[in-house]
Amino acid sequence: ETGVTQTPRHLVMGMTNKKSLKCEQHLGHNAMYWYKQSAKKPLELMFVYNFKEQTENNSVPSRFSPECPNSSHLFLHLHTLQPEDSALYLCASSQSHPTGGTGYTFGSGTRLTVV
Amino acid sequence: DAKTTQPTSMDCAEGRAANLPCNHSTISGNEYVYWYRQIHSQGPQYIIHGLKNNETNEMASLIITEDRKSSTLILPHATLRDTAVYYCIVLYNQGGKLIFGQGTELSVKP
Repeated sequence: ETGVTQTPRHLVMGMTNKKSLKCEQHLGHNAMYWYKQSAKKPLELMFVYNFKEQTENNSVPSRFSPECPNSSHLFLHLHTLQPEDSALYLCASSQSHPTGGTGYTFGSGTRLTVV
Repeated sequence: DAKTTQPTSMDCAEGRAANLPCNHSTISGNEYVYWYRQIHSQGPQYIIHGLKNNETNEMASLIITEDRKSSTLILPHATLRDTAVYYCIVLYNQGGKLIFGQGTELSVKP
């Protein structure tokens, strides 16, 4: 365990379903992130939250909707996804200025398959 | 954030030292060099980071050239469990974001 917990580990959903991914950290960090990793591609930063406020959205389609109710929890709500959205979704946390320490701490990810 | 260049893949014999190079010729004075690795289908794992001086921890050593334009990650005694993709990332020290490139796929062979 890294201190960042993601659930579920695996998710299969239809294109008309609505599901949510959950991320939780108890490291005292105040920034949280969602990354997407498609097959054979580098990690892509999707969203950044600092002190519960969204500070970055990297042109992510609206079918992905993040939510950060507090500094310890981050959600990614999914609806009407496409098969090309199948990927490993990774959550990470850090202090807002991640230097002098270990930078970002990542969860183990949710493997999403859209059918 | 400065861009980095790494070889696409490398092989290393088990028990030998693995030396993974990284070029970051446009790095600025307040950017750190971070190394992460990602074992297949898991989340990236922090290895080590540094600014100017060489660094060592229980996992690896980081050698940064004097001009800071390149660095080398050294795994002193590679094991099969070190097979992973290794990412060299330059990170600005005031709220910089961790942006991943393709990394180096290291294969440790018996």
